[in-house]
Amino acid sequence: EPEVTQTPSHQVTQMGQEVILRCVPISNHLYFYWYRQILGQKVEFLVSFYNNEISEKSEIFDDQFSVERPDGSNFTLKIRSTKLEDSAMYFCASTLLDRRDTQYFGPGTRLTVL
Amino acid sequence: ILNVEQSPQSLHVQEGDSTNFTCSFPSSNFYALHWYRWETAKSPEALFVMTLNGDEKKKGRISATLNTKEGYSYLYIKGSQPEDSATYLCASSGNTGKLIFGQGTTLQVKP
Repeated sequence: EPEVTQTPSHQVTQMGQEVILRCVPISNHLYFYWYRQILGQKVEFLVSFYNNEISEKSEIFDDQFSVERPDGSNFTLKIRSTKLEDSAMYFCASTLLDRRDTQYFGPGTRLTVL
Repeated sequence: ILNVEQSPQSLHVQEGDSTNFTCSFPSSNFYALHWYRWETAKSPEALFVMTLNGDEKKKGRISATLNTKEGYSYLYIKGSQPEDSATYLCASSGNTGKLIFGQGTTLQVKP
């Protein structure tokens, strides 16, 4: 069964460094999302992306964050200058364009900022 | 209710027990209610998507109900098994697709 994959599974970085989290959505999906879960808190929405544009973003998704679909398969989240509070599990999700009621999630990337 | 809230936060049951969890969500601007099952180190797995008031859905021993007027959903597990141990996430969505999650209920089933 097709699945969403994410790499790396765990990323450790120093504060102030740039990180890129990578996602490979299911191949025929066209709508993409990033969520994150800070330890002990709720999973929270960051951004949705369709047709090479951001559709919606939360107030968390400030200028330090960006998303890109650099080719036909990858979907990336970049954090330009990481802060300690960016430490979290980051999830990618994707949906079919006409079945946006069901989001398929990847296993997540655990980001640790030291 | 402004946020999605789930209770209890955690639950420990014996194998064979039946159990249920609650999800409360804002009833205004409601579009859909989602239940996910999330095992550690795995992807959250979609269990149910419900949109209509009074909806009931079933998948094996797991079922869910929806009350959009009062803003709650119940998830039931009949005859819990150790493999049911996981965190169960509830999320509400509007018509943009963005999911607003509750804090999850972590279920531990003891053999």
